[in-house]
Amino acid sequence: AQKVTQAQTEISVVEKEDVTLDCVYETRDTTYYLFWYKQPPSGELVFLIRRNSFDEQNEISGRYSWNFQKSTSSFNFTITASQVVDSAVYFCALRDGNNRKLIWGLGTSLAVNP
Amino acid sequence: GAGVSQSPRYKVTKRGQDVALRCDPISGHVSLYWYRQALGQGPEFLTYFNYEAQQDKSGLPNDRFSAERPEGSISTLTIQRTEQRDSAMYRCASSLDWFLYFGPGTRLTVT
Repeated sequence: AQKVTQAQTEISVVEKEDVTLDCVYETRDTTYYLFWYKQPPSGELVFLIRRNSFDEQNEISGRYSWNFQKSTSSFNFTITASQVVDSAVYFCALRDGNNRKLIWGLGTSLAVNP
Repeated sequence: GAGVSQSPRYKVTKRGQDVALRCDPISGHVSLYWYRQALGQGPEFLTYFNYEAQQDKSGLPNDRFSAERPEGSISTLTIQRTEQRDSAMYRCASSLDWFLYFGPGTRLTVT
């Protein structure tokens, strides 16, 4: 069965600190896709990144970076020099290659304080 | 409009009533998905369509929930005999490939 675990329910940091959000997934499929979404207080879901199971290269986009490690079934997300605007709930999600539904974690609520 | 729209945006209903939630996908998008998000939880898959065909309804919680997309465009999610546990944000998304365009959601409150 597929499962996504985000063990950190809430994280609070002070602006400019680096913060890492953990995501651990379970799947029996060899082909799968991992996603991160941001849900700001306004409620919409904002796509951040997709990674397929065959591409373990880490990715950096501005202050955001992602570390994909198949050996530990983890897809962690780091925000460098956090800002107040980064305050949101962040969701990790999994989709296998055989169907179209996304399996979501429970989310990590990040509060960045000035 | 260019995005996915949903109506109503807010719905308050009494327990036992039926409700119909509407989703207008982006024009030309083949796939349409319904997700439900309870307060403090992650989204939960309900069902999805390719064109008018319902491809997967494994996430529908019980037979009070049904969905249709008769002409391959607009979709309606119907909840019969609503219960308080049905209270949640119901989100629709449409796509051409893997990228999901989410609508703003319908906040359903069952009193």
